[in-house]
Amino acid sequence: AQTVTQSQPEMSVQEAETVTLSCTYDTSESNYYLFWYKQPPSRQMILVIRQEAYKQQNATENRFSVNFQKAAKSFSLKISDSQLGDTAMYFCAFSTTSGTYKYIFGTGTRLKVLA
Amino acid sequence: DSGVTQTPKHLITATGQRVTLRCSPRSGDLSVYWYQQSLDQGLQFLIQYYNGEERAKGNILERFSAQQFPDLHSELNLSSLELGDSALYFCASSVGSIGGNEQFFGPGTRLTVL
Repeated sequence: AQTVTQSQPEMSVQEAETVTLSCTYDTSESNYYLFWYKQPPSRQMILVIRQEAYKQQNATENRFSVNFQKAAKSFSLKISDSQLGDTAMYFCAFSTTSGTYKYIFGTGTRLKVLA
Repeated sequence: DSGVTQTPKHLITATGQRVTLRCSPRSGDLSVYWYQQSLDQGLQFLIQYYNGEERAKGNILERFSAQQFPDLHSELNLSSLELGDSALYFCASSVGSIGGNEQFFGPGTRLTVL
């Protein structure tokens, strides 16, 4: 069975600094997708970044980038130049790409950006 | 605004009752997904519909059921409600049916069971 683990329940970072959120997963699938979602206090879920497992190049979206280590089953999110608006819960998520689809979310990391 | 709408925003009901949550996907999206988020927890995938047909099933209780109508809106029915069903229920939509599609989430329906 697939699992997603986020081992950091809470983190904080100073404004303009860089922070890395960790995520590990377990699967026997060869191809799959990994995601980072942001949930600000408004509770709206917003996709931050997406990575397809067969693509070796790490995905980037502006200040957000991932470090995807397929062999280690690790998928960390780096936020550069942190802004106050980055304060939110961040969820790592996994989905299969074929067969019986599964969508699995981690328990989240609460990130607080300090002024 | 993601373009996904959910009604109602809040729902308060009693144990044993039945409620219906409604979701309208973004224009052009054929897939609808339902998730449950209990207090300060991650999201639990419940079920996915694609163009009217069930596409994937997660940890959805037998007391819960869903359907997607010809106009692509979806409803999640929760019956014989228990205190533990209190949660935020999200609907999401995507263009296609495969797992890698970006999902756009609605604002959620907060269900409180007393």
